[in-house]
Amino acid sequence: QQKVQQSPESLIVPEGGMASLNCTSSDRNVDYFWWYRQHSGKSPKMLMSIFSNGEKEEGRFTVHLNKASLHTSLHIRDSQPSDSALYLCAAPASNTDKVVFGTGTRLQVLP
Amino acid sequence: DPKIIQKPKYLVAVTGSEKILICEQYLGHNAMYWYRQSAKKPLEFMFSYSYQKLMDNQTASSRFQPQSSKKNHLDLQITALKPDDSATYFCASSQEGQAYEQYFGPGTRLTVL
Repeated sequence: QQKVQQSPESLIVPEGGMASLNCTSSDRNVDYFWWYRQHSGKSPKMLMSIFSNGEKEEGRFTVHLNKASLHTSLHIRDSQPSDSALYLCAAPASNTDKVVFGTGTRLQVLP
Repeated sequence: DPKIIQKPKYLVAVTGSEKILICEQYLGHNAMYWYRQSAKKPLEFMFSYSYQKLMDNQTASSRFQPQSSKKNHLDLQITALKPDDSATYFCASSQEGQAYEQYFGPGTRLTVL
């Protein structure tokens, strides 16, 4: 069964710092990923998606995708306390309608 | 205005009872989903529906039954509740199918005593 692995499990960065989160799928057919953010007590909300190899930037957020290694990473520059949340990586499961979520990286940005 | 409504927000049930979780979406989406999230497990896919038809069922137990009376409704009936069923249940929807961004409802937090 496909797994989506995320690291680190938790991360603490100072305000203004850079946060780097990683995600890998065990399904060799995966060729795109989503990143979702879930604030405490709230529902997940999509942050970014990436469908092509390379890099995609939106404001302070940059996502990388390497399809060959089934790896994606999310980088948050100039981190803000409001970025503190659970970050979930997700990938489609092949031959099903299912989306598989990773266990998440809990980010804490200290003022 | 909330685009995905889930009712109730909180639910307490006794072991062995039956409950129905309500979900309505007003995004005009054709696909709807149910997920479960607990402290012990990551966000777990349960069901997907497209045009009111079941597309995928990843729930091993028949105690969980989705019900779609309208295109924008996908309720979840849970029978013979167990303490292990305690979790937050999220309904989600997308434009159509797996490749599209999913929008999540606020969730129903279920506690089974």
